Amino acid sequence: GENVEQHPSTLSVQEGDSAVIKCTYSDSASNYFPWYKQELGKRPQLIIDIRSNVGEKKDQRIAVTLNKTAKHFSLHITETQPEDSAVYFCAASRSGSYDKVIFGPGTSLSVIP
Amino acid sequence: GAVVSQHPSRVICKSGTSVKIECRSLDFQATTMFWYRQFPKKSLMLMATSNEGSKATYEQGVEKDKFLINHASLTLSTLTVTSAHPEDSSFYICSANPAGILPNEQYFGPGTRLTVT
Repeated sequence: GENVEQHPSTLSVQEGDSAVIKCTYSDSASNYFPWYKQELGKRPQLIIDIRSNVGEKKDQRIAVTLNKTAKHFSLHITETQPEDSAVYFCAASRSGSYDKVIFGPGTSLSVIP
Repeated sequence: GAVVSQHPSRVICKSGTSVKIECRSLDFQATTMFWYRQFPKKSLMLMATSNEGSKATYEQGVEKDKFLINHASLTLSTLTVTSAHPEDSSFYICSANPAGILPNEQYFGPGTRLTVT
């Protein structure tokens, strides 16, 4: 089955700096890669996703890149703000509406004012 | 957007009792829902896939007789933790995919905090 790894497990950045989180996946059939932000005690919130037919996607301060050949994808957050502090999870899924989503172990991001 | 609710949000039960958690899709139909468990400072671990009108599919290592899943309608899935023990204390989250909109995109419920004393 699919296995998703994520690094780093913790990340501290100064406000205004960029943060990068990297993930790898094992199943070459995976073709949907969402990123979730989870605040303490809350549900995961989808912040951006990418499908395997594109290599990069950007939404304001957030961007995701995908390298299918190497089976890795990354989240980039620019101009970080204290409210970006949370746990971020990458995930991978295969095509089809009902295929399960497998999560990475998570990265705890702290943005220091 | 798609909304998924869970009930209860918090529950405390005594060891040996059973607890039922409901997951509802409020504004869409979901033939498939997913149940996750999350321990403190850990990731979401997929427990099972709940299929409307048929048996759930459990992930390896998850006891199906302990975690009973019923998906009786297109908007409701239930997870029953039977004979609960303190090690079952966890955050349980469900998710659903509003099929026909965007493949794979999951919407999560708010979670249920289970504490077994």
